[in-house]
Amino acid sequence: DADVTQTPRNRITKTGKRIMLECSQTKGHDRMYWYRQDPGLGLRLIYYSFDVKDINKGEISDGYSVSRQAQAKFSLSLESAIPNQTALYFCATSSSEGMGDQPQHFGDGTRLSIL
Amino acid sequence: QKEVEQNSGPLSVPEGAIASLNCTYSDRGSQSFFWYRQYSGKSPELIMFIYSNGDKEDGRFTAQLNKASQYVSLLIRDSQPSDSATYLCAVNLHWDNYGQNFVFGPGTRLSVLP
Repeated sequence: DADVTQTPRNRITKTGKRIMLECSQTKGHDRMYWYRQDPGLGLRLIYYSFDVKDINKGEISDGYSVSRQAQAKFSLSLESAIPNQTALYFCATSSSEGMGDQPQHFGDGTRLSIL
Repeated sequence: QKEVEQNSGPLSVPEGAIASLNCTYSDRGSQSFFWYRQYSGKSPELIMFIYSNGDKEDGRFTAQLNKASQYVSLLIRDSQPSDSATYLCAVNLHWDNYGQNFVFGPGTRLSVLP
């Protein structure tokens, strides 16, 4: 989905390095999310943010931090990367407007490998 | 316990057949249900969402929800080889003071054979 842009698309790095994954969106959505996907485990929520001043931990936040720099930007940091953080990472957005829960829309993902 | 379960598959169907994908969830308070399609190495793409019991149709896709039995299914009519992908069920839990939380199932891999 070109409206949700993740950078970089691929990254290989070494254990102990600090890594930042960035997400920007042009959908005008107020809510943003970070997930990781591992084979056989599905998508797991790391952090989510409902607006610029709101940050919430998800299911697996240990070892990660986030920053919501603007409504359109949400970055994920690994302060000291470890090999079991090797995964496919997705950013997603959704809107709080409208009736009922609105679906999430995903970026193209960042494939992260930690050696 | 927040769980969403799907048969991992692969589910193989011949071209033109109906593919039936099932999802069960554990939290009776769940309110919203979503189906995503994910091609290998790509991002999840929304297919449909459903909030109320019954059927919801969109083209070749039909979502069916039964809250009493805690399952939601996706039917794909006239299956095409291009439908071969992993299908993810996502459930949004009842809104509480802790905010929204989508829970995804592990996905069912569908293979449509020409």
